[in-house]
Amino acid sequence: GAGVSQSPSNKVTEKGKDVELRCDPISGHTALYWYRQRLGQGLEFLIYFQGNSAPDKSGLPSDRFSAERTGESVSTLTIQRTQQEDSAVYLCASSHRATYGYTFGSGTRLTVV
Amino acid sequence: GQQLNQSPQSMFIQEGEDVSMNCTSSSIFNTWLWYKQDPGEGPVLLIALYKAGELTSNGRLTAQFGITRKDSFLNISASIPSDVGIYFCAGQENTSGTYKYIFGTGTRLKVLA
Repeated sequence: GAGVSQSPSNKVTEKGKDVELRCDPISGHTALYWYRQRLGQGLEFLIYFQGNSAPDKSGLPSDRFSAERTGESVSTLTIQRTQQEDSAVYLCASSHRATYGYTFGSGTRLTVV
Repeated sequence: GQQLNQSPQSMFIQEGEDVSMNCTSSSIFNTWLWYKQDPGEGPVLLIALYKAGELTSNGRLTAQFGITRKDSFLNISASIPSDVGIYFCAGQENTSGTYKYIFGTGTRLKVLA
């Protein structure tokens, strides 16, 4: 596609439920990143994919968070047993090469009630 | 997560005025980026800097990669109302094969017509 696509754009879930967030990067972009942005805050790095492997998972806040990428394309960020502090906008970005600036999607706004 | 120090945190300016903001880090970065984020959208890349001392312009925007590689500056000349938004700097480390960008805390710009 022309840009990075994320779905859903908004998700409201009950505390304790699992959620899956999807990212479709720009075709041909080998590097893919997930960031979290809490209300009024900056961007917090979560995980980086190069191809289908994740050389850097250092930003995942707990073992409730996991992500995978398949076919060097779509990536899914899964949050298990959601907590209220997980409420944030989750942004995905992709890049042709890891050293280049990346293109962000519009994000998924997650609200845990 | 780790974040860069960005200043000012927010600013109100009159239309037509010039704007300056900067970002500092305790770490050396190989690449500096400047992004703008509008409400409900993902950040959009404005300028990328790849070399210490580099000065790059994009229309009314000019950014510089500091000589020490620990800072960067963004200037906006003759501001207009659509410059309103949040501006983020981002620096890229390249240690142990990690290519993640660390983001600043953001500068919220409001332009008074």
